[in-house]
Amino acid sequence: AQSVTQLGSHVSVSEGALVLLRCNYSSSVPPYLFWYVQYPNQGLQLLLKYTSAATLVKGINGFEAEFKKSETSFHLTKPSAHMSDAAEYFCAVSRNSGGSNYKLTFGKGTLLTVNP
Amino acid sequence: EPEVTQTPSHQVTQMGQEVILRCVPISNHLYFYWYRQILGQKVEFLVSFYNNEISEKSEIFDDQFSVERPDGSNFTLKIRSTKLEDSAMYFCASRPMGGLEQYFGPGTRLTVT
Repeated sequence: AQSVTQLGSHVSVSEGALVLLRCNYSSSVPPYLFWYVQYPNQGLQLLLKYTSAATLVKGINGFEAEFKKSETSFHLTKPSAHMSDAAEYFCAVSRNSGGSNYKLTFGKGTLLTVNP
Repeated sequence: EPEVTQTPSHQVTQMGQEVILRCVPISNHLYFYWYRQILGQKVEFLVSFYNNEISEKSEIFDDQFSVERPDGSNFTLKIRSTKLEDSAMYFCASRPMGGLEQYFGPGTRLTVT
């Protein structure tokens, strides 16, 4: 079975400050990992993905995440927060569960607030 | 840029009624999914669909639920007799052959009264 834990349901930062959203996963086999963002009243948009290539993954809007197998972590960072980054962020894990299924298991999400 | 679309954006129904939620996946994608998110809770997997059949379903996806791809473009989720606890945001997603990332629609908010 696979699971995802996102530490902190709500993170608040000042504009221009570092963004760090934490994600830890549990998986019995090497996982594929994803970060999705959800803006108010919109669907889930893929930010970035780790699929067993480079451990440091760059995504859209200046976000990046580092896969650390020893820590079973995939934390999301951005050096300088912008007001438009305010949204809910979801970490998700996937693996082949048979028949090339690759269903996603999500964390509970972290709401990011950016203060001016 | 191609995107997944879902209709309606909001559906209100009475307990015991049937509802059909509709999705149009990205046109060259071959794997289709439904997820739901009850208010304040995690996004949960419901079902995956490939080659005109269910490839996996969760414990939530009981006999009250069904999925169908009635034509080459639509992918539907039917709830036969809605319960209050079915109130949630339902997301459709699709994935291309050879790709690992899923592309999500904007969701349908289902309210059962």
